[in-house]
Amino acid sequence: EAQVTQNPRYLITVTGKKLTVTCSQNMNHEYMSWYRQDPGLGLRQIYYSMNVEVTDKGDVPEGYKVSRKEKRNFPLILESPSPNQTSLYFCASSVGSGLTEQYFGPGTRLTVT
Amino acid sequence: QKEVEQNSGPLSVPEGAIASLNCTYSDRGSQSFFWYRQYSGKSPELIMFIYSNGDKEDGRFTAQLNKASQYVSLLIRDSQPSDSATYLCAVNGGAQKLVFGQGTRLTINP
Repeated sequence: EAQVTQNPRYLITVTGKKLTVTCSQNMNHEYMSWYRQDPGLGLRQIYYSMNVEVTDKGDVPEGYKVSRKEKRNFPLILESPSPNQTSLYFCASSVGSGLTEQYFGPGTRLTVT
Repeated sequence: QKEVEQNSGPLSVPEGAIASLNCTYSDRGSQSFFWYRQYSGKSPELIMFIYSNGDKEDGRFTAQLNKASQYVSLLIRDSQPSDSATYLCAVNGGAQKLVFGQGTRLTINP
């Protein structure tokens, strides 16, 4: 089954404790992206990747890091999480940069206390 | 800052009627436009995209684009209760960055 998976689905952590949210897709997609969704603000793009070893900032990259060492994986790293990073995070992948077939993962709900 | 604006709603439409969802965008260089549907507690799913001025139809859904007015809309004909969801407009202005609107919550009343 073609899918985007994220882990963990739910995470409660404390300020400053480094964490990684994993994202994996099995569709051989080149383009992957991370978004956060907050009430009243909608979905905002954090980082995206056009291909292996190619990443670029979205609209809200501060406080986040990403890497793309393999085509299928695109982890999101929070080196020192803060409460304002409490949010619902979505990973997505697309067959190409045209984004006409972008598939979203199930989401990760992160709470930073 | 590129912006995409939607009326957050809620928009209430009787079953069987046409639901009309609207979106405006600020970047005149935007090239492609997307409508996503998001059910409560679920992830967004792409329902339509449009590149060119005019209408694009897919089943009960019609996307309309007017680049001169920087306006994109989604019409849902013969609305069903299963269409009740939040609809997200997204715009790609190039460089493969996608900007989303806040979403419009649509409720179809039986």
